[in-house]
Amino acid sequence: DGGITQSPKYLFRKEGQNVTLSCEQNLNHDAMYWYRQDPGQGLRLIYYSQIVNDFQKGDIAEGYSVSREKKESFPLTVTSAQKNPTAFYLCASSEGGLYGYTFGSGTRLTVV
Amino acid sequence: GENVEQHPSTLSVQEGDSAVIKCTYSDSASNYFPWYKQELGKRPQLIIDIRSNVGEKKDQRIAVTLNKTAKHFSLHITETQPEDSAVYFCAAGRTSGSRLTFGEGTQLTVNP
Repeated sequence: DGGITQSPKYLFRKEGQNVTLSCEQNLNHDAMYWYRQDPGQGLRLIYYSQIVNDFQKGDIAEGYSVSREKKESFPLTVTSAQKNPTAFYLCASSEGGLYGYTFGSGTRLTVV
Repeated sequence: GENVEQHPSTLSVQEGDSAVIKCTYSDSASNYFPWYKQELGKRPQLIIDIRSNVGEKKDQRIAVTLNKTAKHFSLHITETQPEDSAVYFCAAGRTSGSRLTFGEGTQLTVNP
């Protein structure tokens, strides 16, 4: 069953901690994306990658980091430098050439 | 970069009525315009998309229209049903590019 999997579904972070959100796809898609969703603010792009070992900052990259060592995987680390990390995080993938995205089911991160 | 504005932010209709959601974009080079539906607690899912070489596309009760001159596009849902209740996002991007920019979303409520 092809798709894109995010884990965990819920994540709690203490102040000052780094946490890593997982995103894995078996769709053989070249491009992968991380978006942050806050109420009333739509989807804002954090980072994206069009090919293995390459990625670019999106609109709100500060306080986040990513890696793309494998085509299937695009983990997102929320660092302690991100001052307001509580949000719903969505990972997506697409074929090259900007076709419609396939989204994961999301990770809800809460700072406690 | 691209900027996408979406209106209205909330829309309430009676079952059987039509619903229209409008988006404007700023980058005249954008040529791909998808629409996503996100039900409560679930991932966004692509419901329809249009490319700039056509002015209208229809899929059963859903249609999208595009006015390239005015740089706006709209989602039309006819004969609305309670299961149409969700948040709808528009997006814009270039097929030769690498990312989509999303609108802020419209909460559609269909009252039985």
